[in-house]
Amino acid sequence: QKEVEQNSGPLSVPEGAIASLNCTYSDRGSQSFFWYRQYSGKSPELIMFIYSNGDKEDGRFTAQLNKASQYVSLLIRDSQPSDSATYLCAVTYNQGGKLIFGQGTELSVKP
Amino acid sequence: NAGVTQTPKFQVLKTGQSMTLQCAQDMNHNSMYWYRQDPGMGLRLIYYSASEGTTDKGEVPNGYNVSRLNKREFSLRLESAAPSQTSVYFCASRETPPGLAALGDTQYFGPGTRLTVL
Repeated sequence: QKEVEQNSGPLSVPEGAIASLNCTYSDRGSQSFFWYRQYSGKSPELIMFIYSNGDKEDGRFTAQLNKASQYVSLLIRDSQPSDSATYLCAVTYNQGGKLIFGQGTELSVKP
Repeated sequence: NAGVTQTPKFQVLKTGQSMTLQCAQDMNHNSMYWYRQDPGMGLRLIYYSASEGTTDKGEVPNGYNVSRLNKREFSLRLESAAPSQTSVYFCASRETPPGLAALGDTQYFGPGTRLTVL
């Protein structure tokens, strides 16, 4: 069974710090990796995706993928209280296929 | 452009009652999905429709049925609700373009339906 694992947290960081969110996946055939943010009581919204080894940057967010270690991470620089949310990692195993979600990591950014 | 819409937003049922959750998207997407989200368990796929006219089971299909009415609409039916089906239900859609464009193809979620079964 394909699995996606995240630390459930909560992860607490001070305002202005770097928040590091981690995700591991079980199937080496995984192709694309997505990070979603979900505020309490709201639906998930896409932050960014990555499918090549290495880093991908978008503003304060950086996604890192290491397929050899089956590991994907999300770094949030200069964390703000508005970044406090649950972050969901999702993996797809074939083009156009289903997404498998991790259980999410709750992030709390303290002013 | 409303994206993905779901009705109702909230619903309370008694055990054994039936109901249908409605979902519609106006982005001309090919694929549609139904998830449930329970505390600490992330999103679990119930059913999905890769294209109009097709439906397939996901991770947790028992107790549910679906209908892909047309390209826009995908409904989820609970025939005999049980307390274990108390959850937040999300509908999502995805374009599923061919070729390498699919690598970055993501799902867009509706606002969710909060269902309580007593």
